Amino acid sequence: DSGVTQTPKHLITATGQRVTLRCSPRSGDLSVYWYQQSLDQGLQFLIQYYNGEERAKGNILERFSAQQFPDLHSELNLSSLELGDSALYFCASSVGDDNEQFFGPGTRLTVL
Amino acid sequence: SQQGEEDPQALSIQEGENATMNCSYKTSINNLQWYRQNSGRGLVHLILIRSNEREKHSGRLRVTLDTSKKSSSLLITASRAADTASYFCATRQSRGAQKLVFGQGTRLTINP
Repeated sequence: DSGVTQTPKHLITATGQRVTLRCSPRSGDLSVYWYQQSLDQGLQFLIQYYNGEERAKGNILERFSAQQFPDLHSELNLSSLELGDSALYFCASSVGDDNEQFFGPGTRLTVL
Repeated sequence: SQQGEEDPQALSIQEGENATMNCSYKTSINNLQWYRQNSGRGLVHLILIRSNEREKHSGRLRVTLDTSKKSSSLLITASRAADTASYFCATRQSRGAQKLVFGQGTRLTINP
C-alpha cells in the first residue's frame, strides 16, 4: 500500500459525459501528479500540482482539468468524454519534485 | 514521444535466473527511476538513482546509470515467480518541464 488513495476504482460512462476522479496523496506529500495509461500511448504525464498550484503540464487535453485543494487532495475532471479516453488514470504523490513518486491504485475509466 | 526506451520489450526466464533490463534516454536528467507494475495495477517504486550516482542496490535489485551513454540497467538476481510484472524506467529531465517521462516498459515473465 503506497498511501495514495484514488476513487472510484472503476467508472463506466457514455460518450459526451463528464466525470471526476479523486486522489488523496500520502500524508506530508505536497506534490500530486496525474497520469493516463492506455495500451497505445503507454503511461503519459498529464499534470502536476504542488501545494495547490499548477506546477507542470504534460499531454493534457483541453477537455480535461484538475485542481488541488487546501487539504492537498486533487481532482481530475474529464468532460465531453470520447471512446479514446478509456484508460487507467493514476495519481501519484511525492514530497518534492526530485523525489520518488508513489502511485495510487488507479481508476479504470471505460467510455461506451 | 517517450524519453526512456526499455530493452527488451519482453523477457522470459526460469525462476532462479537473473533478469537484466535496459533503459536508454535522450536528454540530460536529474534522476532515473525504476517502477514495477503488476497487470492492471498501480506502479510500485523500486529505485531512484540520481545523475551523480553510478550504481545503487536494494535487496535483489541492482541499478546502474551511465550518463555518458544515457543508459541505465536494472538487474534482478535470483528471480522469483512473484517478480513477474512490467518494469518501467522513468526519467526526470534536468531542463524544461520538470516531469517524469516513462518508457514503454519491459514485460518480465518468470517461469517456475
